[in-house]
This record gives sequence, structure tokens and C-alpha cells, in this order.
Amino acid sequence: DQQVKQNSPSLSVQEGRISILNCDYTNSMFDYFLWYKKYPAEGPTFLISISSIKDKNEDGRFTVFLNKSAKHLSLHIVPSQPGDSAVYFCAAGANAGGTSYGKLTFGQGTILTVHP
Amino acid sequence: NAGVMQNPRHLVRRRGQEARLRCSPMKGHSHVYWYRQLPEEGLKFMVYLQKENIIDESGMPKERFSAEFPKEGPSILRIQQVVRGDSAAYFCASSPPAVLAKNIQYFGAGTRLSVL
Repeated sequence: DQQVKQNSPSLSVQEGRISILNCDYTNSMFDYFLWYKKYPAEGPTFLISISSIKDKNEDGRFTVFLNKSAKHLSLHIVPSQPGDSAVYFCAAGANAGGTSYGKLTFGQGTILTVHP
Repeated sequence: NAGVMQNPRHLVRRRGQEARLRCSPMKGHSHVYWYRQLPEEGLKFMVYLQKENIIDESGMPKERFSAEFPKEGPSILRIQQVVRGDSAAYFCASSPPAVLAKNIQYFGAGTRLSVL
């Protein structure tokens, strides 16, 4: 049961252009979403997150958009840089009365390649 | 402030042997999570622990796998009688209580287990 899906295994963009990574979820209980970046042989690094009470969160070149009615979120990277080339995972979590369940559910990842 | 430390980075075991994976959380973090990543897949939640307590072990296989987070020392993920299907990357993450409601977890570099 894949509750978080990243349907694009890979994405290739030119340096300086926008990268858009997409993620869909099915579980309505998810109320917090995160994006992680992962280089080979390293652990995931936290990038940006968004609560379900918001529809947008921005941090420098990274912006996450959440469409709750469509159960869809996306990560925009502008402008893209070669150093952004990595695997990007979206993840979702559920809170209950302010106490986190702790468990994050991850998508399968999207390999982003930014060409100079 | 050192990050989440996992050791060993690489572990080779023969079928039937035991594997012990260690995780030291970031300073000030009292919550530890273990995830497993199979090739070409996303991270799958295994277990969530606080000091001396297992909070959620819904992702742990019913047999051969156990986890602990003692009052002193690192968290240990133990796999008894390993089989080839246990070959994977095992990631540990930690979080402080202050950000628990935001589900932000900080990951170690992982232990890559190979079962011969």
C-alpha cells in the first residue's frame, strides 16, 4: 500500500531553470509533509517542510506547495544548480492532538539531474 | 554539534549470523527512528524509540528483528539469523522533543548490510 507516491523516477533540467518535483498521497490523516535530499552513500538531508494548514512554504531557492483537495504537493527549485543533482524524497507524517506518531512515510524518490 | 552517528558504515554477514547496527542520536535528541531502504525503493519505517521505551514498532518484521535504546549508550538494531533479503541500507534518524510535532527527523549516513 503505497501511501506516498512520486511518479517520476527521474527529472533532467538545465542549470538556471526551474525544477519541479511532484508527490501524491492517499492518506487523509497526513498533516505534515517534508522534502529530503539524498546523495549516494549518504543519509537523507532535511530540506523544507509544510503543515497542512498552509498551502505554500518558501526557503531561499526552495518552495513547497500543498494542494490538500488533490492530495498533491510539489517542490520547486529556482534557479536549479548542478549541486542540486541528487535523489529527492517526499515524506508525510501524522500528528494526533499535538503528539506526533513519529513515523514518516516516504515516496520512492525522484532522481534530479541538473545539467551545466 | 555532531550529527547522527551510525556504525558500522558497511557490514558484511553470512547467512545465519547476527547483525548489530548502532546509532548515536544528535546531542539533545531523545527520540530515535530506524528505517530500511531496499534497492530502488524509498525508506520504510521500522521502529520509533525513546530512551528505554519502544513507542511504535509497527514496521518491524515479526521475527529476528529487535531494537533498543538504553538509558546509556547508542540505540541498537539487532537482526538475528540474517538472510539475503535483509541486505539493505539501514538508516537511523533522531529528533528532539521540541520539533516532534513537526515530524522533522535528522538522518545518519546509514549502515549498508550485505548478507552473503
